[in-house]
Amino acid sequence: DQQVKQNSPSLSVQEGRISILNCDYTNSMFDYFLWYKKYPAEGPTFLISISSIKDKNEDGRFTVFLNKSAKHLSLHIVPSQPGDSAVYFCAAQTGNQFYFGTGTSLTVIP
Amino acid sequence: GAGVSQSPSNKVTEKGKDVELRCDPISGHTALYWYRQSLGQGLEFLIYFQGNSAPDKSGLPSDRFSAERTGGSVSTLTIQRTQQEDSAVYLCASSIAGGAGELFFGEGSRLTVL
Repeated sequence: DQQVKQNSPSLSVQEGRISILNCDYTNSMFDYFLWYKKYPAEGPTFLISISSIKDKNEDGRFTVFLNKSAKHLSLHIVPSQPGDSAVYFCAAQTGNQFYFGTGTSLTVIP
Repeated sequence: GAGVSQSPSNKVTEKGKDVELRCDPISGHTALYWYRQSLGQGLEFLIYFQGNSAPDKSGLPSDRFSAERTGGSVSTLTIQRTQQEDSAVYLCASSIAGGAGELFFGEGSRLTVL
């Protein structure tokens, strides 16, 4: 069973506009939620996280929103830049376990 | 080294052969994870090591898969009698302490079984 789902395999956004990547989860016991970014032929790199007790965390152009009642989180990138083009993985953590979504491929068009 | 190091970066093997994949985590990181990503799939958890504790092997897909971590540092993932469905990118990650937050990933080992 997929505990973390990213239902959009791809997203295209114009440079300067907002990118919104979505993620849904099923387990209400997750402690943290994380976003990772992956370029081709590289390992995923950590981008931003949020504790389950918060509903928003912001770091520069990146903001993660958590809606616990809907079991939904989203990553907002604004303004989007061509260098943001990558695959973004949503992950949820409980204890020592991390559960990853299938990723969303973001393309930012110059 | 500064980051998680994995080798080989690419491995092509024939069905039925054994392969070994190596991971050298960040110095001081006590937690080590193996994941794999098959084409079009997300990251699938395989195994987790934390310090000297018994590893969590719950993600290993079959008894052809095994892993060890020597001296609490370098880890080797072994796949015996490889099958075509084993073809994937195998990713290793480490963290300061299990369950404390972000994982630091290596660049992965791409395995192709012909």
